[in-house]
Amino acid sequence: NAGVMQNPRHLVRRRGQEARLRCSPMKGHSHVYWYRQLPEEGLKFMVYLQKENIIDESGMPKERFSAEFPKEGPSILRIQQVVRGDSAAYFCASSPTGPYTSSYNSPLHFGNGTRLTVT
Amino acid sequence: DAKTTQPTSMDCAEGRAANLPCNHSTISGNEYVYWYRQIHSQGPQYIIHGLKNNETNEMASLIITEDRKSSTLILPHATLRDTAVYYCIVRVALGGGGADGLTFGKGTHLIIQP
Repeated sequence: NAGVMQNPRHLVRRRGQEARLRCSPMKGHSHVYWYRQLPEEGLKFMVYLQKENIIDESGMPKERFSAEFPKEGPSILRIQQVVRGDSAAYFCASSPTGPYTSSYNSPLHFGNGTRLTVT
Repeated sequence: DAKTTQPTSMDCAEGRAANLPCNHSTISGNEYVYWYRQIHSQGPQYIIHGLKNNETNEMASLIITEDRKSSTLILPHATLRDTAVYYCIVRVALGGGGADGLTFGKGTHLIIQP
């Protein structure tokens, strides 16, 4: 059973360009979470999605950032008009159940991240 | 949200047991204690979790005190590859307010010495 797959592993963008980060959850997982880790800092929650729905985006910057998890295909984190401060590692995690179910006891499994560098 | 307190760093000799403490004195009755670790340049790796009973798996053991205000993660025979940042996380329960249930603090940087 393959783990959470993220691509690309490394992404370099110039200021003002768009960055698209992809995440394929583990097989059978319908819940996806995105986290950001700035250099020398801890992981910060950004957004939680279930298939076709954004459940919680309280950690996502209001502008330039968006996320989706379509019925078919991977989850996408999109950053428009990137700035140097967006340089970070972006991690995706998945779980088979979400926090609003009675069987809420499933660990999140993380991918190895996409390292975004904005030049 | 219940918060956790961990030492910033710890050393352990290779082959010895590594005991990582965590305080979570404001934990609620239906909140789980989770442990993850992050090896440099990799994503966080799930280790173990528990509610009130001690737990053991192929990676580690989790000892939770009877009052649930603290816990200890035990790596029984540490190897150099166990050098990582270890995160103790109290997972927000159903209806607890946090949607994702995983809030990472600064963790403990465990260094295994040869």
